[in-house]
Amino acid sequence: DAKTTQPTSMDCAEGRAANLPCNHSTISGNEYVYWYRQIHSQGPQYIIHGLKNNETNEMASLIITEDRKSSTLILPHATLRDTAVYYCIVSPLPLASNTGKLIFGQGTTLQVKP
Amino acid sequence: DTGVSQNPRHKITKRGQNVTFRCDPISEHNRLYWYRQTLGQGPEFLTYFQNEAQLEKSRLLSDRFSAERPKGSFSTLEIQRTEQGDSAMYLCASSPRLAGGLYQETQYFGPGTRLLVL
Repeated sequence: DAKTTQPTSMDCAEGRAANLPCNHSTISGNEYVYWYRQIHSQGPQYIIHGLKNNETNEMASLIITEDRKSSTLILPHATLRDTAVYYCIVSPLPLASNTGKLIFGQGTTLQVKP
Repeated sequence: DTGVSQNPRHKITKRGQNVTFRCDPISEHNRLYWYRQTLGQGPEFLTYFQNEAQLEKSRLLSDRFSAERPKGSFSTLEIQRTEQGDSAMYLCASSPRLAGGLYQETQYFGPGTRLLVL
């Protein structure tokens, strides 16, 4: 079972920031928070991941609370092409000693509106 | 395009028939994963390979399912005696090995094969 809880759906106005929350209250010390998204009829696409510090890349920012029990993915200037299902996943780093498999929940459907 | 490719993209079959899907991972990616995704749900892990070795299989992978990766490159997923409950999107993903026993955190997914069993 997925170890994360996300809202089922959210709307965001084009050009505004989209803030997608995720609860992971049972996260273990060695588990990272990963975000993937899946645009309709495509495979999932990696966005970002982090352990405890805030992370930023060209796609998004990830804010992880100090107790690591929740996080927020921020798309700073959402576009129509950001309409997708966003998945928050907790998982350890993929090592030779583990599978690296991803356990997806149902995700949040983000609808970006003009 | 050097991404993960999957063929066919769509497959319609009748119940009881056998089907085979192919996944070509990104070149030199050691790990290859298969996931299944039903409508409205997130992908579910089925199995994974490290090079040619199949190292884990989910309980979702019944005896009718078999996966191979004979030369550590492409992989096939076969479903025998298909059932209507097998209708789903079958996704393949790959990831490369890094130095020091680590694997890249990112899994690169293909576009999937959508199976419809009538």
